[in-house]
Amino acid sequence: QLQLQESGPGLVKPSETLSLTCTVSGYSISSGYYWGWIRQPPGKGLEWIGSMYRSETTYYNPSLKSRVTISADTFKNQFSLNLSSVTAADTAVYYCVRPYGDYGIDPWGQGTLVIVSS
Amino acid sequence: DIQMTQSPSTLSASVGDTVTITCRASQSISNNLAWYQQKPGKAPKVLIYKASNLESGVPSRFSGSRSGTEFTLTINSLQPDDFATYYCQQYNTYLFTFGPGTRVDIK
Repeated sequence: QLQLQESGPGLVKPSETLSLTCTVSGYSISSGYYWGWIRQPPGKGLEWIGSMYRSETTYYNPSLKSRVTISADTFKNQFSLNLSSVTAADTAVYYCVRPYGDYGIDPWGQGTLVIVSS
Repeated sequence: DIQMTQSPSTLSASVGDTVTITCRASQSISNNLAWYQQKPGKAPKVLIYKASNLESGVPSRFSGSRSGTEFTLTINSLQPDDFATYYCQQYNTYLFTFGPGTRVDIK
């Protein structure tokens, strides 16, 4: 069964880079599928950050594109999110996900809260 | 970018009611739309994909439909477990966008 698990610091200082990793179990990310990140500020809605296919192709939310990088480590079966120059507005629960074509986004990781504060 | 709107933003209902949530896309997205249910502290869960296809394991009281760029999620005979927030999401392009959400709470 495919499962995703986020990991990374829960606290990041303003202007620094937020870095999260998603560990995938039950499937080799080098075999295919898109993989991505979505975030949700406390008490607010869902915002798609971006998606990646085998590190060959990436799609980013235009509003975040200048600060976002999504990449893969196929040896570790992980993919990562880097978000630079963070501010308090980047405080959110970050989910790693698999965009599953016609079937929507499934599964989702459990989410990890990242707070941007000095 | 494709913008998604949802109405209402909040809906108060009772167990046994039938509720309807509407989602509109700013341009044609064919039937490339999914509905999600989210409970506090949990990740969203897909209910409906391709506008009207019920995800495996989701109760049949949930249904989805499409008319042009307007999409509807209907919950028949609302159950206590259904009080949650619901989001629509378009995937017609790889630049995914979500609706702002509809919270269904107890009247």
